[in-house]
Amino acid sequence: GAGVSQSPSNKVTEKGKDVELRCDPISGHTALYWYRQSLGQGLEFLIYFQGNSAPDKSGLPSDRFSAERTGGSVSTLTIQRTQQEDSAVYLCASSFPGLGPTETQYFGPGTRLLVL
Amino acid sequence: DQQVKQNSPSLSVQEGRISILNCDYTNSMFDYFLWYKKYPAEGPTFLISISSIKDKNEDGRFTVFLNKSAKHLSLHIVPSQPGDSAVYFCAASSEGGGADGLTFGKGTHLIIQP
Repeated sequence: GAGVSQSPSNKVTEKGKDVELRCDPISGHTALYWYRQSLGQGLEFLIYFQGNSAPDKSGLPSDRFSAERTGGSVSTLTIQRTQQEDSAVYLCASSFPGLGPTETQYFGPGTRLLVL
Repeated sequence: DQQVKQNSPSLSVQEGRISILNCDYTNSMFDYFLWYKKYPAEGPTFLISISSIKDKNEDGRFTVFLNKSAKHLSLHIVPSQPGDSAVYFCAASSEGGGADGLTFGKGTHLIIQP
C-alpha cells in the first residue's frame, strides 16, 4: 500500500480480555516499530523488528505484551489480560534502512485502545 | 528520566509570523534528530531531520537548527500558515540504527491564529 496501515482503528475492550493489533508496513520496508502514546505523553518505544526478528524486547511494558512479525511484512501486537493503564494509542512505523546512521520512520494512523 | 524535552506544551503564533519550537536533550549519544507533525486522529508525519554533523537543515518554510554544545534544537516555520496548526514532536536517535527506536518529546501544540 501507499502508507503504513493499522487495524482496527479503534478498539474498546473490557479489562481482562486479550486484544490483537495489526500493522501493515510500507511495502519493501524491512524495519518495523511499535510505539505507544498515552494521554498527554510523548511516544513510548515498545519494540523493533528487522525482518522477522526482534533483537530486544525489553521495551515492552510487561510480559502481557508480545509482538510478532511474519514474512517480513505484517506485524501483530498482542496484549493479554488487558488493564485500564493499557489504554493508549498504539502506533506502528516502518522504515527502509539506508546508509545513514538512522532511517526516517513513517507512521501509521494508530489504533486507539480503550480498556474499560 | 526524560531524555528529550519539549518544555512548551503549547504555542500560539499569528499567521504570517515565525513559529519557533524548541527541544532539549540530555543524552550525548544522540546524533540524529527529527521533527514530526501530528494532526488529531492521525499518525505523526515526518517533517524534517538533521544529523549531528550539521548545525542547520532547511526545507522550504521549515528550518531546523542544532546546537550540540547546548544539546538544543529548534524548528523554525516561516511564514506560519493555518495548516501548520498541529502537535509537533521532537525525536532523537543514536548511531546504530533504529534498534532502540526513536526517543520522543511530549510535543508542542502549535496554534496559528488568523
